[in-house]
Parts: sequence; structure tokens; C-alpha cells
Amino acid sequence: GAVVSQHPSRVICKSGTSVKIECRSLDFQATTMFWYRQFPKKSLMLMATSNEGSKATYEQGVEKDKFLINHASLTLSTLTVTSAHPEDSSFYICSAKTGTGVGNTIYFGEGSWLTVV
Amino acid sequence: AQKVTQAQTEISVVEKEDVTLDCVYETRDTTYYLFWYKQPPSGELVFLIRRNSFDEQNEISGRYSWNFQKSTSSFNFTITASQVVDSAVYFCALSEAGGSEKLVFGKGMKLTVNP
Repeated sequence: GAVVSQHPSRVICKSGTSVKIECRSLDFQATTMFWYRQFPKKSLMLMATSNEGSKATYEQGVEKDKFLINHASLTLSTLTVTSAHPEDSSFYICSAKTGTGVGNTIYFGEGSWLTVV
Repeated sequence: AQKVTQAQTEISVVEKEDVTLDCVYETRDTTYYLFWYKQPPSGELVFLIRRNSFDEQNEISGRYSWNFQKSTSSFNFTITASQVVDSAVYFCALSEAGGSEKLVFGKGMKLTVNP
């Protein structure tokens, strides 16, 4: 069964609204989670690294004020897309690392399809 | 900078054929990890394998096998006797050392196995 769960799996929102996507690690604590974005038929691009109890680290070119990440507990990270626009429509997928050492297994969530209309 | 190249974008085979998916990587790190993931049409990423840079042994898991060659910076994936259920997009990925393990993905290769 899944060890990382994302919710919702699909969401449609109106332009200008905000939408929150949750990423939960099941059965293990994840001090670090990662958020990726995937455009149709494209590869996955890392958006940010979510660190429990501290600010997220964003990749170059990713607007931190638009993509708010909160990692309030060891099993939950949330990505909020603020003031969504149609170009934000994409597949968002999170991953979580088991443990804090090097070489731990990384599991991915099921992904969330966001459509902004 | 790290980079993963999957030169093939799409392959179509007939069931029971063997197919090899190529992956070439670039990194300046001496310690790194290589991954293969499968992404079926539903979207989730299914972990297939992780290999660290110090382990060049080939690995076989059922119909799947992996050939890691540091000399050519390649980590190729072979599916033997392919099945329709193998149809998916396959991603090769590389992670930096140091514990952060952000993944750099190749562009993916879409495999279609026809009955």
C-alpha cells in the first residue's frame, strides 16, 4: 500500500482562488519532503524542499509567495497555490524521505491534478 | 550541475519482446544515487530501484534488470518478456549526496507494450 498519500487527487478551482494540497507520510516520520511539478508529457521538476519546523527551500524560479509550503508536523506537508491562474494547472507530486541519513528510500505520493479554470 | 538524459522518448514493442531503456547521467559528485521510477497513466510514481554510486553490481528483479556502468555514466534498465502492464512512462533520476536527496529526473520514456 501507499506510504505517502496526497489529497486531493484531483481539484478544479477558479482563477484567483487558492487551493491546498496535502502530502502525508504514512507509517513513518519525514523531516524532509519534496514538492515536484509535472507538466503534461514532461518530466518532473523540483519546486521546493519542505523542512519540518522551518522554512521551505525553493528552487530557482519558483515563486515562494505563490507556492506556500508548510511542514507543520513530521507527517504532513502542505502546498498552497495562491491566486491560482490557468498556467498553474499541472500535476503536483510530493515525495518523502524515510529517515534523515544519506541513501534513505524516497517514496512519492499519488500526485494531485490541479486544473484552474 | 547534475543532469539525466533519457535519449529515447517513446518506444513501442509487442508483448514478450525484451526492451532496454537507456539512462545517462552527469554529476561531479563522487557519491550519488540513481533511481528508476515507473509512472502509469494514473500518475503516481512507483519506485523500482535505487543504486548508490559505489555499487556497480548489476541487479535482477524478476523480469527487470539494471546495468550500472560508471565508466560510461549509464544506468540502463531492461524489461525481459514485456507485458501490457509494463506500459507506462519510465523515469531515471539522480540524487546528490549529503542527505538532502533532491531528485533530478530525466525527461522520461514512454513505453507501450502492445498485445
